[in-house]
Amino acid sequence: QVQLQESGPGLVKPSQTLTLTCTVSGDSISSGSYYWGWIRQPAGKGLESLGRIYTSGSTTYNPSLKSRVTISRDTSKNQFSLELSSVTAADTAVYYCAREIHGRIDFWGQGTLVTVSS
Amino acid sequence: DIQMTQSPSSLSASVGDRVTITCRASENINTYLNWYQQKPGKAPMLLIYGASTLQSGVPSRFRGSGSGTDFTLTISSLQPEDFATYYCQQNYGSLTFGQGTNLDIK
Repeated sequence: QVQLQESGPGLVKPSQTLTLTCTVSGDSISSGSYYWGWIRQPAGKGLESLGRIYTSGSTTYNPSLKSRVTISRDTSKNQFSLELSSVTAADTAVYYCAREIHGRIDFWGQGTLVTVSS
Repeated sequence: DIQMTQSPSSLSASVGDRVTITCRASENINTYLNWYQQKPGKAPMLLIYGASTLQSGVPSRFRGSGSGTDFTLTISSLQPEDFATYYCQQNYGSLTFGQGTNLDIK
């Protein structure tokens, strides 16, 4: 069974960089035909895809956030990470990591709340 | 970006009811459309992919249909565990989601 677990600070100051890591078990992030991505959800609102990294290491990002988002990976630890720069209160949300195949998300992490506040 | 619009935004129904949720894409997405169910405090769960294919383990009372720009999710006979928020998501371009439909008990 594939499992994903987000980790990182729950509180980030405005203008700083939010960094989260997703640890994957039950699958390899460097094999198969999968994307490994990040999705966020502000409280009481809908879902927004931030970007993803393919098993080859190539990345795609949400055009509206592209200038602030970086997704990278550490294959030796079977982890991938999200960096979101210059955060504001609008970036406060639950952040999910997820596995995507053929455009559908079949496995999700439990989510982690990140609050942007001074 | 392809915009996804769901209707209604909220819906009240009773156990045993048949309900339909609609999702409209801002351009033709063929059948690159998925549906998810989300319960409070939980991650979304994939219900249907490719507009009409039931994800493994999902009850057959859930049915998806449509192609092009107009899609529907139908629950044939609501069960207590079906009260949740439902999202459509397109994968024709960069992934985008509808705004959600909150289904609650009448």
